[in-house]
Amino acid sequence: TQLLEQSPQFLSIQEGENLTVYCNSSSVFSSLQWYRQEPGEGPVLLVTVVTGGEVKKLKRLTFQFGDARKDSSLHITAAQPGDTGLYLCAGGQAGGGADGLTFGKGTHLIIQP
Amino acid sequence: GAVVSQHPSWVICKSGTSVKIECRSLDFQATTMFWYRQFPKQSLMLMATSNEGSKATYEQGVEKDKFLINHASLTLSTLTVTSAHPEDSSFYICSAPLAETQYFGPGTRLLVL
Repeated sequence: TQLLEQSPQFLSIQEGENLTVYCNSSSVFSSLQWYRQEPGEGPVLLVTVVTGGEVKKLKRLTFQFGDARKDSSLHITAAQPGDTGLYLCAGGQAGGGADGLTFGKGTHLIIQP
Repeated sequence: GAVVSQHPSWVICKSGTSVKIECRSLDFQATTMFWYRQFPKQSLMLMATSNEGSKATYEQGVEKDKFLINHASLTLSTLTVTSAHPEDSSFYICSAPLAETQYFGPGTRLLVL
């Protein structure tokens, strides 16, 4: 069974601060995805990383895939109240999305104005 | 981007009845779709893989006779919760893969009274 350990599980910070969410596993993943989920809605894809060492930026969000493709991080710069939500990392074992994803437990992020 | 829809978005039923949930890929075809369940304040857990033209494959601990899956076409998968009980109340989410990415539906909230 592949496990993704996501940390922290809960984080509450002030607007303008920076934060990093980590996603670690002992397994190698062919791809790793980060999602954001609002209450009562399905997860919305933020980014997919597939290459070891890959770094992708999405405005104030920076995503990194570990060299060994076992871990990933999400860094948010100058967090804003609109960033509040549940952030989920998820890994796929097979290429092409042929298998279901293994999800981390999620990080509940609250940005206080 | 790819769009996945679910119907209904929420359903309330009496204990002992069956409920059918539909998952559709709107602008792409998917030979495989995935069904997840999410309990409050928890992450998504993969229930089963829906395969077009063949039987679904279930994750360990998921009763195949209780959660019937039919992949009727390349754009439609259905999940039927048979003889529903209050403990089946949950948020059910489907996904369909396109390239390396899983695209999620908006989810179906099931409440069994």
